[in-house]
Amino acid sequence: DTEVTQTPKHLVMGMTNKKSLKCEQHMGHRAMYWYKQKAKKPPELMFVYSYEKLSINESVPSRFSPECPNSSLLNLHLHALQPEDSALYLCASLNIGGGHTEAFFGQGTRLTVV
Amino acid sequence: QQQVKQSPQSLIVQKGGISIINCAYENTAFDYFPWYQQFPGKGPALLIAIRPDVSEKKEGRFTISFNKSAKQFSLHIMDSQPGDSATYFCAASHSGGYQKVTFGTGTKLQVIP
Repeated sequence: DTEVTQTPKHLVMGMTNKKSLKCEQHMGHRAMYWYKQKAKKPPELMFVYSYEKLSINESVPSRFSPECPNSSLLNLHLHALQPEDSALYLCASLNIGGGHTEAFFGQGTRLTVV
Repeated sequence: QQQVKQSPQSLIVQKGGISIINCAYENTAFDYFPWYQQFPGKGPALLIAIRPDVSEKKEGRFTISFNKSAKQFSLHIMDSQPGDSATYFCAASHSGGYQKVTFGTGTKLQVIP
């Protein structure tokens, strides 16, 4: 099973809403990432979790709050977002064995902030 | 030093032709170079990858050529098909440090019948 599952696929939220994005993998990978992707741009790293601990926060605003309840799950809690936060949010699970970093991406959550 | 430069930004190829996308990097600590294929509205999917101790890797119609001294690598798609129309990202990572995957800027490929 090489699948990374993200829910929901689409999300529309107002600027005062609180919502959460979910990501799940069952490949036994111990590193999971959140990326943000704007149209016609490459994925932009937001957070890295390694062994369920936050190891990288790429200066992401506090209105984005990640959580890693266990090695298979990764959440991204959203609060008071701005319209410019509308993007495709991608979760990736990383195989960090064998001396290289191989990322498996989910299908993403298309987020629209209104 | 963390950048990966990718060209061209867009590419139109006739069906059956060869598509070539080029990437260059600066950071000599990079030791793994994957290519990702992304269709609209989908997440990137790993296509093929290479390590710097190999100069070429082929998987089906897809070939990576790697020039370590020039710090360049390229993706060749042989016999390009309309179904190959997608955005392609080169990437680089290193086994130490932050385990960060650095992406190129992307190439939108259109294969016309």
